[in-house]
Amino acid sequence: AQSVTQPDIHITVSEGASLELRCNYSYGATPYLFWYVQSPGQGLQLLLKYFSGDTLVQGIKGFEAEFKRSQSSFNLRKPSVHWSDAAEYFCAVGAGVTGGGNKLTFGTGTQLKVEL
Amino acid sequence: DTGVSQDPRHKITKRGQNVTFRCDPISEHNRLYWYRQTLGQGPEFLTYFQNEAQLEKSRLLSDRFSAERPKGSFSTLEIQRTEQGDSAMYLCASSLVNIAGGDEQFFGPGTRLTVL
Repeated sequence: AQSVTQPDIHITVSEGASLELRCNYSYGATPYLFWYVQSPGQGLQLLLKYFSGDTLVQGIKGFEAEFKRSQSSFNLRKPSVHWSDAAEYFCAVGAGVTGGGNKLTFGTGTQLKVEL
Repeated sequence: DTGVSQDPRHKITKRGQNVTFRCDPISEHNRLYWYRQTLGQGPEFLTYFQNEAQLEKSRLLSDRFSAERPKGSFSTLEIQRTEQGDSAMYLCASSLVNIAGGDEQFFGPGTRLTVL
């Protein structure tokens, strides 16, 4: 069974500082990996995804993530955080089986607070 | 592109009542997923459809829950004899499956259910 661990429940950073949110996954084959962001009262917005190829993926809003198979990790990074980035961030893994479902398994999320 | 829409956005009901939620996916998408999100947790997979066929259901989906997707367009999720433990955000997502199998899911804003 697939699983995702986000070890940091809350993170506080100053505006302009760099950010790294950790994500570790467990999956028997090559995973499909995603980072979503959720603002209060809103649905989930996809920041970026990894299916195959280059292990460093670029997303929207200046975010990037690096897939490291040896560490079973897919950490999210941003070089300079903006106050509007304050939200909850979810890492997810999908089976991505062609012809079958790609149900996502989510981590418990990391709540990001940005100090001005 | 109007995105995924869900109706209602909020529902308050008394224990024992039946409730029905609706999800309208992005028009050309052939897959539709339902997830449930409780406070402080990431979304959990409930079920998914490919066109009108319901192909997988989670163990979380007890016999009080039923989902349909007639004609492969909108979907409904019904909960019968609601219990307080059903209180959660119910999220719908849709996707267009690709050859690689790694479909990208677009989420709606969710329906927040409160069972009194």
